[in-house]
Amino acid sequence: EAEVAQSPRYKITEKSQAVAFWCDPISGHATLYWYRQILGQGPELLVQFQDESVVDDSQLPKDRFSAERLKGVDSTLKIQPAELGDSAMYLCASSLSFEQFFGPGTRLTVL
Amino acid sequence: QQQVKQSPQSLIVQKGGIPIINCAYENTAFDYFPWYQQFPGKGPALLIAIRPDVSEKKEGRFTISFNKSAKQFSLHIMDSQPGDSATYFCAASKGGSARQLTFGSGTQLTVLP
Repeated sequence: EAEVAQSPRYKITEKSQAVAFWCDPISGHATLYWYRQILGQGPELLVQFQDESVVDDSQLPKDRFSAERLKGVDSTLKIQPAELGDSAMYLCASSLSFEQFFGPGTRLTVL
Repeated sequence: QQQVKQSPQSLIVQKGGIPIINCAYENTAFDYFPWYQQFPGKGPALLIAIRPDVSEKKEGRFTISFNKSAKQFSLHIMDSQPGDSATYFCAASKGGSARQLTFGSGTQLTVLP
């Protein structure tokens, strides 16, 4: 069964350091999403790609966050510098039409 | 208008019971309503979804009831099992090139053996 892959699964970093997360969507899925999920809350969209183009990054804190999907397949989300409030689960999802399928997430802890 | 309100926040039932989780939305442009199941430390998994042209959809032990006029939808889990203990999220999305999910706040379900 096709799945969304994410790495690393866990990341511990100190504030002011840079971190990067990687996502490989289900093959053939043109739409890719990055979400942030704070413990006890629902996921919130950070950025949406259609192929290699950004469709919506209105909720992405662009002073410290960046995302790219250079070849329209896998994607990288970067935070620089990390802040204490960035501690959360970062989820990647991909979609062909209505259904979105999520990866296992990266649990980020900022100390 | 983008908000999806979910209740209850937590729910405890005995094995075999029928937990019901409710969601309400404001934006009448929403046209797709999925439910996700999430276990601790895992990503959300799509459970079942409904479009507003039907009032009910069943998949195995999971049923969505949809009330378009009331702008409400709910998830029923028949013959609940301890393995169903998880957090459940409702969500909604609307059409267009940027189809995005708006999630409810989640319901933590515990099924006692």
